[in-house]
Amino acid sequence: AQTVTQSQPEMSVQEAETVTLSCTYDTSENNYYLFWYKQPPSRQMILVIRQEAYKQQNATENRFSVNFQKAAKSFSLKISDSQLGDTAMYFCAFTGRGSTLGRLYFGRGTQLTVWP
Amino acid sequence: DTAVSQTPKYLVTQMGNDKSIKCEQNLGHDTMYWYKQDSKKFLKIMFSYNNKELIINETVPNRFSPKSPDKAHLNLHINSLELGDSAVYFCASSQGTGLQEQYFGPGTRLTVT
Repeated sequence: AQTVTQSQPEMSVQEAETVTLSCTYDTSENNYYLFWYKQPPSRQMILVIRQEAYKQQNATENRFSVNFQKAAKSFSLKISDSQLGDTAMYFCAFTGRGSTLGRLYFGRGTQLTVWP
Repeated sequence: DTAVSQTPKYLVTQMGNDKSIKCEQNLGHDTMYWYKQDSKKFLKIMFSYNNKELIINETVPNRFSPKSPDKAHLNLHINSLELGDSAVYFCASSQGTGLQEQYFGPGTRLTVT
């Protein structure tokens, strides 16, 4: 079974600072994608960033970057220059090509609060 | 301009009733999904349709029945609603069933009293 673990239920950071959210996953598949989704109070699920497992280079989207460690099955999200609008629940998610095809498996989320 | 839309956004109903949630996407995607987010915000897939064909059916009570009249629409009908069905239901879509990101609708908060 595929599992995604986010060990930090809550985190907080001051505006303009950097914060890292942790995610680990367990899978026997070799070809898969990992995602970070953001869910602000509006409830909308917004894709933040994605990483393809066969790409060694870490994905980057503006202030958001990941540290993908395939051997360790770790996929952390770094948010630089945090903004008030980054306050949201962040979900790490996994989808694979084998039995997990088409399914997004989510972690339980990390509630991030950015303080002024 | 909304990519994935759901109606209604809020639904309050009594136990035993039957209700439907509708989903439409204008992204031209061929695969659509239903997810359930429980009170602890845990998201889990329920169903998936590809080109109107059911391809994923997780362990969901038979009271839940999805229907896809065409590629752009996926509805969820729930019979004999129970208190435990209270949750936020998200529709999502993607192009293909492979390693693609899924785009989510705004969610429908269902409250069963």
